[in-house]
Amino acid sequence: DVVLTQTPSILSATIGQSVSISCRSSQSLLDSDGNTYLYWFLQRPGQSPQRLIYLVSNLGSGVPNRFSGSGSGTDFTLKISGVEAEDLGVYYCMQATHAYTFGAGTKLELK
Amino acid sequence: QVQLKESGPGLVQPSQTLSLTCTVSGFSLTSNSVHWVRQPPGKGLEWVGAIWSGGSTDYNSALKSRLSISRDTSKSQVFLKMNSLQTEDTAIYFCTRFTAYWGQGTLVTVSS
Repeated sequence: DVVLTQTPSILSATIGQSVSISCRSSQSLLDSDGNTYLYWFLQRPGQSPQRLIYLVSNLGSGVPNRFSGSGSGTDFTLKISGVEAEDLGVYYCMQATHAYTFGAGTKLELK
Repeated sequence: QVQLKESGPGLVQPSQTLSLTCTVSGFSLTSNSVHWVRQPPGKGLEWVGAIWSGGSTDYNSALKSRLSISRDTSKSQVFLKMNSLQTEDTAIYFCTRFTAYWGQGTLVTVSS
């Protein structure tokens, strides 16, 4: 099974600070169809997950452009350019190339 | 607009069978897949399984022997059945039109 390793597990930030979260896969996520099925979600306390990024770098509908995704193969990054209070919660990466696997999550909290 | 809503018993006894329903609106089950994802209290997300637009299914390999997903397209409902429940199955169960639309989730507690 594919394992996704997220770092850090906890991220402390101030409002306005730019931060990055890493997601590393135990196998390449490049599919034979040419797509890389890597997604990012944010789960705010008490809420369902919200999709932020799909296919590595595509911004989900209604998602602010301070969020961006990058990477290829086995290494991926989510960047938030200027954290806002509404961004606090747990971030998960997920792969859908080899069945479906979520990372363990990164909790973004206020410093 | 697209909506999904989970419903179920809330409390299930160990070794019994869990039955959940996901009622959808704003889209057709014959054109879209619906997935189930669960989250134990205070823990991360786990993919459970899916039913595809054509009616075929895929299951988490760790749960496959206990799991069944089906649907009634006329009622816009998707069903999850999991047998031989244990305390480790206690979780919030979400149905989702992967990956953009999610239900609010329903908490299932396995306890005697």
